[in-house]
Amino acid sequence: KQEVTQIPAALSVPEGENLVLNCSFTDSAIYNLQWFRQDPGKGLTSLLLIQSSQREQTSGRLNASLDKSSGRSTLYIAASQPGDSATYLCAVRPGGANSKLTFGKGITLSVRP
Amino acid sequence: NAGVMQNPRHLVRRRGQEARLRCSPMKGHSHVYWYRQLPEEGLKFMVYLQKENIIDESGMPKERFSAEFPKEGPSILRIQQVVRGDSAAYFCASSPRIDGPHNEQFFGPGTRLTVL
Repeated sequence: KQEVTQIPAALSVPEGENLVLNCSFTDSAIYNLQWFRQDPGKGLTSLLLIQSSQREQTSGRLNASLDKSSGRSTLYIAASQPGDSATYLCAVRPGGANSKLTFGKGITLSVRP
Repeated sequence: NAGVMQNPRHLVRRRGQEARLRCSPMKGHSHVYWYRQLPEEGLKFMVYLQKENIIDESGMPKERFSAEFPKEGPSILRIQQVVRGDSAAYFCASSPRIDGPHNEQFFGPGTRLTVL
């Protein structure tokens, strides 16, 4: 059974800091991995999707990496801003026809001005 | 191209009543997924549907919960005889097809169900 872990559960950093959010999963047989952002009381916004054959994806100040063999992904946020404050969720999709996503509990990020 | 639509955004029910949650996928998407987010917990998969078919309902509680995605109209998640433990945010996602590791699931804003 796939399990996704995100530690720590919460993180507070000063504005401008570069930071890394970690995600680990127990079953390396994944199809892809998605990083989402969730603002309080809101839905999920997809940030980046990394296919199983890829090592990383970049979008603006965000960079996500994937190491399937070790069951890890990281989301790197450069030059953090108060507007980056949100909960960041990692989700994996298993291989084959099974398309349901398994989510971690998320990391709640607070960027202090 | 409008995103995934869910309504209502907020729903209040008393114990024993029925709750009906609706989801309209993105235009051109024929696959719908329902997830539930309980307080202090992560999102959990409930059910995956294609038009007129339930593909995977392994995450659905055995009783009181049902889902459908008819040929015409939105997908419906129905909860009968709601209990306080059903209070949660229910999210719908859609995707254009299941094949391909590049396929994303796009999420709606969610329906927040409160059972009094």
